[in-house]
Amino acid sequence: AQKITQTQPGMFVQEKEAVTLDCTYDTSDQSYGLFWYKQPSSGEMIFLIYQGSYDEQNATEGRYSLNFQKARKSANLVISASQLGDSAMYFCAMRMADSWGKLQFGAGTQVVVTP
Amino acid sequence: EAQVTQNPRYLITVTGKKLTVTCSQNMNHEYMSWYRQDPGLGLRQIYYSMNVEVTDKGDVPEGYKVSRKEKRNFPLILESPSPNQTSLYFCASSTLIMGVKTQYFGPGTRLLVL
Repeated sequence: AQKITQTQPGMFVQEKEAVTLDCTYDTSDQSYGLFWYKQPSSGEMIFLIYQGSYDEQNATEGRYSLNFQKARKSANLVISASQLGDSAMYFCAMRMADSWGKLQFGAGTQVVVTP
Repeated sequence: EAQVTQNPRYLITVTGKKLTVTCSQNMNHEYMSWYRQDPGLGLRQIYYSMNVEVTDKGDVPEGYKVSRKEKRNFPLILESPSPNQTSLYFCASSTLIMGVKTQYFGPGTRLLVL
């Protein structure tokens, strides 16, 4: 069975600093996709960034980048220049090629950005 | 605008009183699913549907029913809700075309079962 692990239940980060959120995954399949979502206190799920297992370059979307280390089965999210609005719960998720519609989620990391 | 809508957004009910949470998407997506979110557990899939009249159990299906009579709608039914079904529920839709990168989530439904 596939599994997503986020080992950091919560963290504080100072405004303007960079923060790295850890995510490791476990699968024996070769084809999969990795996602990061942000969930602010209002509750909605906001898509941040995607990395395909065959993508050779690390994905970037504005201030978000995904540090993909395939051999280590690691897909860490890096948020550069943190802003107060980045305070939220962050979820790592994986989607498999044979069940492309289903996402397997980690437990999440609560990030609090302080002034 | 591409979106997934859910209703109601908030619901307080009592044990045993049947309820339905509606979900609708306007993107003609084949795949729809329901997740529940609980603290420390992330989101877990309840049921999913690959297309009209095709549904299957996810990871935590006990106590729930679904139907997919139209492509755009995928209601979640709790025949006899219990307090352990108090949770935040998300409907999501996705195309099954390889390479499409996102799932679309609804805004969530907060359910409290007393």
